[in-house]
Amino acid sequence: TQLLEQSPQFLSIQEGENLTVYCNSSSVFSSLQWYRQEPGEGPVLLVTVVTGGEVKKLKRLTFQFGDARKDSSLHITAAQPGDTGLYLCAGARAGTYKYIFGTGTRLKVLA
Amino acid sequence: DAGVIQSPRHEVTEMGQEVTLRCKPISGHDYLFWYRQTMMRGLELLIYFNNNVPIDDSGMPEDRFSAKMPNASFSTLKIQPSEPRDSAVYFCASSFSYVSSGSYEQYFGPGTRLTVT
Repeated sequence: TQLLEQSPQFLSIQEGENLTVYCNSSSVFSSLQWYRQEPGEGPVLLVTVVTGGEVKKLKRLTFQFGDARKDSSLHITAAQPGDTGLYLCAGARAGTYKYIFGTGTRLKVLA
Repeated sequence: DAGVIQSPRHEVTEMGQEVTLRCKPISGHDYLFWYRQTMMRGLELLIYFNNNVPIDDSGMPEDRFSAKMPNASFSTLKIQPSEPRDSAVYFCASSFSYVSSGSYEQYFGPGTRLTVT
């Protein structure tokens, strides 16, 4: 059973466009992370959010944790080819050290 | 620090053979995780250790899979006998204990691409 569903699965956009990736679950998480993975490499942590409604910004990337801590979004402003990769969300329930990974969104930014 | 080191990077083996994957975590990290990634099932946690002790192996698919961590700087994941459906990329990740925010950062290795023919 996949606890974290990401949408869209695939996204191909032109350089300069904006995009939003969603991560949804019916479960409540104590923390949620976003990773980016490039071909042939392991995932790299981008951000961790722990408070419902929390918004974090990392340059052109904006991350939001839902008020109920069941969902999250990643918004990229003015996408660049360097943003190309697989974006993964991962959530951990309270009291556990286990992060469950989402289904992933594969982003391609065309120059 | 060199980051998490995994070996080999690629492994091709025949069905029925034993496969051993190796991982060296980041020095000072006290948690170690083994994941498997496939197109169909995504990134799945297999097992994790804390201070060299296995804490949760509920993700290990079957008895053919075993993992050990004899010391703080080395871990192995063994598959015996291997089957074609074990073909995947296997990642090792390490982290330090919870920080004040209640979460932790996992640092992933580059992975081992396993192909079982």
